[in-house]
Amino acid sequence: NAGVTQTPKFQVLKTGQSMTLQCAQDMNHEYMSWYRQDPGMGLRLIHYSVGAGITDQGEVPNGYNVSRSTTEDFPLRLLSAAPSQTSVYFCASSYSINIQNTEAFFGQGTRLTVV
Amino acid sequence: GDSVTQMEGPVTLSEEACLTINCTYTATGYPSLFWYVQYPGEGLQLLLKATKADDKGSNKGFEATYRKETTSFHLEKGSVQVSDSAVYFCALSPTGNQFYFGTGTSLTVIP
Repeated sequence: NAGVTQTPKFQVLKTGQSMTLQCAQDMNHEYMSWYRQDPGMGLRLIHYSVGAGITDQGEVPNGYNVSRSTTEDFPLRLLSAAPSQTSVYFCASSYSINIQNTEAFFGQGTRLTVV
Repeated sequence: GDSVTQMEGPVTLSEEACLTINCTYTATGYPSLFWYVQYPGEGLQLLLKATKADDKGSNKGFEATYRKETTSFHLEKGSVQVSDSAVYFCALSPTGNQFYFGTGTSLTVIP
């Protein structure tokens, strides 16, 4: 059981480049989300999805797009990378959309540097 | 808005020392409260949780009690081990579809 798999683990981008961070889970979870982790700020929610075809914005969505065409995959796209997007990105999933009562599983993270 | 305030780190303790990491929260309604742990090079893992006032979450020797009167969820362990070295995050979920995380507290336990 692989759990939540994120790729790549590390990435360096130039300002203005685009890229997609991949996230896949094999637990048939309804709920998936993306967070960014910055020093002194904890984790902040970027986007989330409560099922295939349904996405919504979190606390810091600007500069990021998401889609959920399948239950398993939830890619995060940076259309035009900026230095302010340098961060560690975590994907998370949980069985239920009500995460108060269910465990969230996190990927190992993607460390992104934009120069 | 909803938020979590967590004790600043880093924290360095000797093996077998007592640990307390403070966490207070601001939320409307009745959120669930969590402690997540991040070991070096890994993603976050659920350590324990509590879903209502006066609940005590516990796991691996760690405990935290949901105190609504003081809006707190402090993490405690009576005797830490080197293997407990990690970053600990307090979090709340007010509505069920997202977490609000604290800034994290780095713990290093030395032999």
